[in-house]
Amino acid sequence: QQKVQQSPESLIVPEGAMTSLNCTFSDSASQYFAWYRQHSGKAPKALMSIFSNGEKEEGRFTIHLNKASLHFSLHIRDSQPSDSALYLCADSNMGYKLTFGTGTSLLVDP
Amino acid sequence: ETAVFQTPNYHVTQVGNEVSFNCKQTLGHDTMYWYKQDSKKLLKIMFSYNNKQLIVNETVPRRFSPQSSDKAHLNLRIKSVEPEDSAVYLCASSNRVSNERLFFGHGTKLSVL
Repeated sequence: QQKVQQSPESLIVPEGAMTSLNCTFSDSASQYFAWYRQHSGKAPKALMSIFSNGEKEEGRFTIHLNKASLHFSLHIRDSQPSDSALYLCADSNMGYKLTFGTGTSLLVDP
Repeated sequence: ETAVFQTPNYHVTQVGNEVSFNCKQTLGHDTMYWYKQDSKKLLKIMFSYNNKQLIVNETVPRRFSPQSSDKAHLNLRIKSVEPEDSAVYLCASSNRVSNERLFFGHGTKLSVL
């Protein structure tokens, strides 16, 4: 069964720091990888996605994928208090099913 | 901005009752989903529909039944709710062309007493 594991489970970083969130997946056939962010009491919202090995940067956010090691990550540069949220990674083999990870709760301390 | 709309926001009921949740998307997407988010925030897919056709049906109890009248609507009925059904039920939609980015509604929080 397709599984996605995230680490750490929770994280506290000071404002302005670099935040790194990790995700490992089990399905080597996965083709699509994404990060979602969910503020407390709100709907999850897509942040970034990637299909092929390598890096992709959008503003303060960078996603990195290494299919050989079944690992992808999200890096947040200059973390802000507004970044405090639950971060969910997800993967898919393009079969109408996005499988989400266990989540990392991030608190950015001002 | 157009979005994914869910009703009700909250629902409190007793064990054994039947409940129904509604979801509508105005994004013109062709695929809709129901996800369940438990108290530990784990998000698990339950069903997905593409153009009114059931595509994904994960291992969920038979008391759960999705209903799609058209590609913009996907409802969820739970017959005879159980305490473990207490969770947030999130509806989402996507356009296959947009490579599976999901747009979520705000969820329906169900509490079973």
